[in-house]
Amino acid sequence: DTGVSQDPRHKITKRGQNVTFRCDPISEHNRLYWYRQTLGQGPEFLTYFQNEAQLEKSRLLSDRFSAERPKGSFSTLEIQRTEQGDSAMYLCASSYRVTEAFFGQGTRLTVV
Amino acid sequence: AQTVTQSQPEMSVQEAETVTLSCTYDTSESDYYLFWYKQPPSRQMILVIRQEAYKQQNATENRFSVNFQKAAKSFSLKISDSQLGDAAMYFCAYRSSPNFGNEKLTFGTGTRLTIIP
Repeated sequence: DTGVSQDPRHKITKRGQNVTFRCDPISEHNRLYWYRQTLGQGPEFLTYFQNEAQLEKSRLLSDRFSAERPKGSFSTLEIQRTEQGDSAMYLCASSYRVTEAFFGQGTRLTVV
Repeated sequence: AQTVTQSQPEMSVQEAETVTLSCTYDTSESDYYLFWYKQPPSRQMILVIRQEAYKQQNATENRFSVNFQKAAKSFSLKISDSQLGDAAMYFCAYRSSPNFGNEKLTFGTGTRLTIIP
């Protein structure tokens, strides 16, 4: 499968714990994006990488959130001290051209 | 900041019939891209169709076509000959031109499309 891969698919965590999600983009794609989607809403932009450089961050990305893309390949999104409001689907997308982004199946986070 | 509005939370259509999903957007930019994405239940979001704002001709992809009205800032999706596999959430999305250096997609709240057999 050469699509965007996200791991894990589901994560249940207790409030206050740290969680980390991984995204493996399509291999030749230099652009990688993270979005958050809550129930009944469209995805909201979190952050964007071009190769290993993080070029854009949303104000939604509080200081508890951090994202990395070492060596311009896979990316990780870490949430520290999770809160119930962090419960959402976290989507990763990658692209080579700006005209099309390919999405992964997402990681559904539930904070209890 | 750009905004995207989808005023139809839910739509339904009889199989083989035609349905139109509405989308309006607000921007001060003159060059941008518009997209319709489909998100089936528990499946990843996939691109249905895209439109470059500088192109006057409406985009078409098989049974999917758009009605792009730039002055009215309207971008509707028409699905012809609806099939059961078209059932999904449909999201309208906006992206600035690369010239503006803003790479993010701005999505609407979505329209849930049900196909009636």
